[in-house]
Amino acid sequence: GQQLNQSPQSMFIQEGEDVSMNCTSSSIFNTWLWYKQDPGEGPVLLIALYKAGELTSNGRLTAQFGITRKDSFLNISASIPSDVGIYFCAGEYSGGGADGLTFGKGTHLIIQP
Amino acid sequence: GAVVSQHPSWVICKSGTSVKIECRSLDFQATTMFWYRQFPKQSLMLMATSNEGSKATYEQGVEKDKFLINHASLTLSTLTVTSAHPEDSSFYICSASDRGGGIYGYTFGSGTRLTVV
Repeated sequence: GQQLNQSPQSMFIQEGEDVSMNCTSSSIFNTWLWYKQDPGEGPVLLIALYKAGELTSNGRLTAQFGITRKDSFLNISASIPSDVGIYFCAGEYSGGGADGLTFGKGTHLIIQP
Repeated sequence: GAVVSQHPSWVICKSGTSVKIECRSLDFQATTMFWYRQFPKQSLMLMATSNEGSKATYEQGVEKDKFLINHASLTLSTLTVTSAHPEDSSFYICSASDRGGGIYGYTFGSGTRLTVV
C-alpha cells in the first residue's frame, strides 16, 4: 500500500526559531494535507494542497505541494509555545474528500522557552 | 466551519463486552465517513470507509465482524467494537466527508480513548 515518509521524527527547538518538516511518497497523491494533533485530541487541519506546485500559507505556516506530486513540506516561522504538538502529513489519491487518508508517522515538535 | 462530533471521548469497558462510538457531522451532510485507529505515539491508520446506506469497506487486516460500522444517515456513523479485548485498547477517530471536496472533506472528530480491562 501507499506509505508516507515523514521527517524529522522529532524536533527540539528554541522559541522564535523557524521549523521545517517534509513528507515524501513512493506514490502520487492528488491532495496533500497537514494536520496538528494535540494529546488526546483528533487531528486539526492546518493546510490543504490540491495542485502540484501549489504554495499555500496560513498565518505563520507555509506548505507546498511538490511538482512531482510525491512530496510536500511544511514550514512554521517564528515558533511559539502553542506550536508544540505532533504534526502529520496526509495524502489522498482520488481527491475531493472521497477516500480515506494515508498518514505520515508524524513530527513531534518540542519548543524550549 | 465543518464540525464533526464524536462520543464518548473516553470509555473503559470490561473484556468481552461491546462498545459503541458515535460520529456525527453537525453542519454538513457526510456522504462518507472514515474510521481510524491510533496506538500511542503512532500514526493514524485507516480502518474502514462507510458510505451512507451501504456496507462499509474495511482495510486489509481489519476484522469486519469485530468492528461493526453503521452509517444509516447522512449525519451519523457508529463504530461498535464487539467482544472487546485488551488489545483493542486504542484511540479511535472518525472523519467525515461531504464529497464536495475542500475543507469538509477532511474534518476529524475529537477521538475516543477506549480502554479494555
